[in-house]
Amino acid sequence: EVQLMESGGGSGQPGGSLRLSCAASGFTFFTYTMNWVRQAPGKGLEWISFIGSESGTTTYYAESVKGRFTVSRDNAKNSLYLQMDSLTYEDTGLYYCVRGVMGVAMRFRAFDVWGRGTMVTVFS
Amino acid sequence: QSALTQPASVSGSPGRSITISCTGGSSDVGTYDLVSWYQQHPGKAPKVIIYDVTRRPSGVSGRFSGSKSGNTAYLTISGLQAEDEGDYYCCSYGGSRGLVLLGGGTKLTVL
Repeated sequence: EVQLMESGGGSGQPGGSLRLSCAASGFTFFTYTMNWVRQAPGKGLEWISFIGSESGTTTYYAESVKGRFTVSRDNAKNSLYLQMDSLTYEDTGLYYCVRGVMGVAMRFRAFDVWGRGTMVTVFS
Repeated sequence: QSALTQPASVSGSPGRSITISCTGGSSDVGTYDLVSWYQQHPGKAPKVIIYDVTRRPSGVSGRFSGSKSGNTAYLTISGLQAEDEGDYYCCSYGGSRGLVLLGGGTKLTVL
């Protein structure tokens, strides 16, 4: 069964750091692009980061997290990570690890597998 | 403010049809047939129900269909059922506006 399982969520202070992990199983992890999508309480979905397949050298970020968050992957461990630094109250939300499907010329097509999410709460 | 514009809410009676719109721009929705739709029930992760504007993943009911005209994509749900209640999000390749654009979500109520 294809599965994504996030961990590492919890509480953090403004200006602090958290590191999220996502364990993938049931598919050939290194061949897929991966993303993080978050959802603030009672709000809509917000895509925040992308990492390319295989070496993961290609990364993209939403403006809201650029320069503060870093996405990475360890294919040997079938794992995706999100290092979150300089946290703000606006980073509070449920963070989903999501598998991406890309088309020609690396154009995004869809998010086809979602984890259950891990909750991040930023408060002082 | 979301990159793609959706109505905040729609409603319909069981057995009827509803359509949710998703408006982007000429450089994203208008240019690429790369629109996807997601259904999210309360407390659950989203699930893809339409991709590439019109395609349905295996296992998704044929009552869900997608289309596009100009800069606006549409999700139509026919034969509404109580289980269709939830939030629906559209998504598109962003072209010059970025990799991924998301709509603000539409809350569907089955009356």
